[in-house]
Amino acid sequence: EAGVTQSPTHLIKTRGQQATLRCSPISGHTSVYWYQQALGLGLQFLLWYDEGEERNRGNFPPRFSGRQFPNYSSELNVNALELEDSALYLCASSSPGQIPSNQPQHFGDGTRLSIL
Amino acid sequence: AQSVTQLDSHVSVSEGTPVLLRCNYSSSYSPSLFWYVQHPNKGLQLLLKYTSAATLVKGINGFEAEFKKSETSFHLTKPSAHMSDAAEYFCVVRIVNGNQFYFGTGTSLTVIP
Repeated sequence: EAGVTQSPTHLIKTRGQQATLRCSPISGHTSVYWYQQALGLGLQFLLWYDEGEERNRGNFPPRFSGRQFPNYSSELNVNALELEDSALYLCASSSPGQIPSNQPQHFGDGTRLSIL
Repeated sequence: AQSVTQLDSHVSVSEGTPVLLRCNYSSSYSPSLFWYVQHPNKGLQLLLKYTSAATLVKGINGFEAEFKKSETSFHLTKPSAHMSDAAEYFCVVRIVNGNQFYFGTGTSLTVIP
């Protein structure tokens, strides 16, 4: 079974540019989660998509946005990039399972975004 | 309300000695609990999960964790640390009737040769 895949592995941008990060979940998983892991700040929850809908978002400005496609893959878009956006962006997926569900998240290896 | 507290931000042990990484949780609902490990510049890898079948859960790489409801704890242990265990460890809670995951702030494990 293929795991969660993220692309690109590394992305270098300059201030003010826009970045698009991509994530393909494990087959059968309908939920996709995005996290930002900046140096010294731990794992910060960004966005959660399920069945094509945004279900929740973390405490990030609107220039962080995304979407989930009919095949459950997802994009994270970051507009007007700032230096502090430099971080490892992790995507995770989970299966809906039955409710109650005890299925874990499965993570990709992330996209390292560097802002110059 | 749901939350996860990892009591130690850094833990340092000698190779071959036991590892204890502490995690306390609060949840209004029956939780599912997980431990993940993250090596540098990699994603998070699932170590083990608690899903109410047994309070003592065995995971990969010799790790195990015990769910103690009375103490609202889910501490991660390993009898003998190996150099390859040096990494960041995250405790995570998922409320059983929802799809929201709550992460602890992580514990950095250093293994001294």
